[in-house]
Amino acid sequence: GAVVSQHPSWVICKSGTSVKIECRSLDFQATTMFWYRQFPKQSLMLMATSNEGSKATYEQGVEKDKFLINHASLTLSTLTVTSAHPEDSSFYICSAEPRDSGLYEQYFGPGTRLTVT
Amino acid sequence: GNSVTQMEGPVTLSEEAFLTINCTYTATGYPSLFWYVQYPGEGLQLLLKATKADDKGSNKGFEATYRKETTSFHLEKGSVQVSDSAVYFCALNFYQGGSEKLVFGKGTKLTVNP
Repeated sequence: GAVVSQHPSWVICKSGTSVKIECRSLDFQATTMFWYRQFPKQSLMLMATSNEGSKATYEQGVEKDKFLINHASLTLSTLTVTSAHPEDSSFYICSAEPRDSGLYEQYFGPGTRLTVT
Repeated sequence: GNSVTQMEGPVTLSEEAFLTINCTYTATGYPSLFWYVQYPGEGLQLLLKATKADDKGSNKGFEATYRKETTSFHLEKGSVQVSDSAVYFCALNFYQGGSEKLVFGKGTKLTVNP
């Protein structure tokens, strides 16, 4: 149980285009979903926290107009990288917190490798 | 601020060797501490956690003790297996803006050879 999927697992896009990454909780409902970014040999950096039906809360230094997050249902959150540039190339990871779990737990997706050429 | 520092990898061991991966933290308040593991091609999985000082988290033969006096949460296993090959992340949690967040170390890649 508690499986989180991401799609696509990897994507290559041209500079200036937009890319959408999906994060789904497959067997539970998620009140809160988190988006992280990971650079090679670096730790996961939290980008934003999204709650179903409300606007995402972005961490300091993360451009909310560039990284659009939508959490339209209790099982799906999307991250759209708009007008992508090579410096946006990274590994993007989402996690989901079960609804009414009573315990703090985040379940992580396998990540999406984005390469912007 | 809140931060986690863990030993640089990669770590390469032979099967049945003893494993230690060091982790120290800086935190305001009293965080819970976690070890996550990421197997190749999979998402991070919670390996173990400890919620207060002197607590010991354990799972699958791995152990870590929350040491407030040394601000450490070192991961240990007495006898590693090839299947333990993965990347291990130390993390702490804190509350900000009404939500609970995780801060991760950089990860330590472990390779266990038969």
